[in-house]
Amino acid sequence: EEHLLESGGGLVQPGGSLRLSCAASGFTFSIYAINWVRQAPGKGLEWVSSISGGGHTTYYADSVKGRFSISRDDSKNTVYLHMNTLRAEDTAVYHCTKGSGSGWYFWSDPWGQGTRVTVSS
Amino acid sequence: EIVMTQSPATLSVSPGERATLSCTASLSVSSNLAWYQQKPGQAPRLLIYAASTRATGIPARFSGSGSGTEFTLTITSLQSEDFAVYYCQQYNNWPPYTFGQGTKVEIK
Repeated sequence: EEHLLESGGGLVQPGGSLRLSCAASGFTFSIYAINWVRQAPGKGLEWVSSISGGGHTTYYADSVKGRFSISRDDSKNTVYLHMNTLRAEDTAVYHCTKGSGSGWYFWSDPWGQGTRVTVSS
Repeated sequence: EIVMTQSPATLSVSPGERATLSCTASLSVSSNLAWYQQKPGQAPRLLIYAASTRATGIPARFSGSGSGTEFTLTITSLQSEDFAVYYCQQYNNWPPYTFGQGTKVEIK
C-alpha cells in the first residue's frame, strides 16, 4: 500500500524557519513527482510546491517563491520542504502528495495526513 | 493561472438522495480534472481523475463528467459516510495546480 508520512511541523515565530519531511513507502519513490499542498485553518486547498521524479525540476507557488525550497533524497525515500522567512499566512496543515499520472498530467494520490505549521509570536 | 469555481458552496441533501456538484474552469482544462473528498480531521482522498475515471476502491455511486470548462460530480443515493467537503482540481495547465474552493455536502 502506498503511504506518505509528514513530520517537522510546529510553532515558529514570524521570520523563522522550519523543515518539513515527507517519508514515502509502498511505491518506487524515485520515479514519481511529489507535491506539497497546504490548508489554512478553515480554508481550502492550496498547492505549494512540486519536485519531479529524480529531483531535476522544482516548482513553487508565487506565494512561497524565494522563501521555500523543495528537495528530495531518493536513498531515504523522503522529500523535504525548507521554509524560511515564515509569515503568519503560512500557518496551515501541510500535506505531501504523490503525483500520479503520466506525461505532464498528474493528480494527487495518495495524500499524507499532514503536519501542522503555526507561525505566531 | 486557471481559476476553478465550485457551486454551490453548501449542498443540503437527505440520505439516499442524489447530489450534483459543479466545477467550472476559467479556461479549458480538457479532461485533466480531479475530484477529492475531505472529511473533518482527515486528508483529502482522490475520488475521480481524468474527469470521469473513478480511483481505486471508490464506489460506483460516485461519477464524474464534463470536459473543457464545465464539470460535474454526481453522488447517487448519498450514504452517511459521503457527507464531507469535495474539491475539484485542474492539472492541465500547471504550475500552479489550482483547486476549487470546495463544496460542503451536509445532511438535510
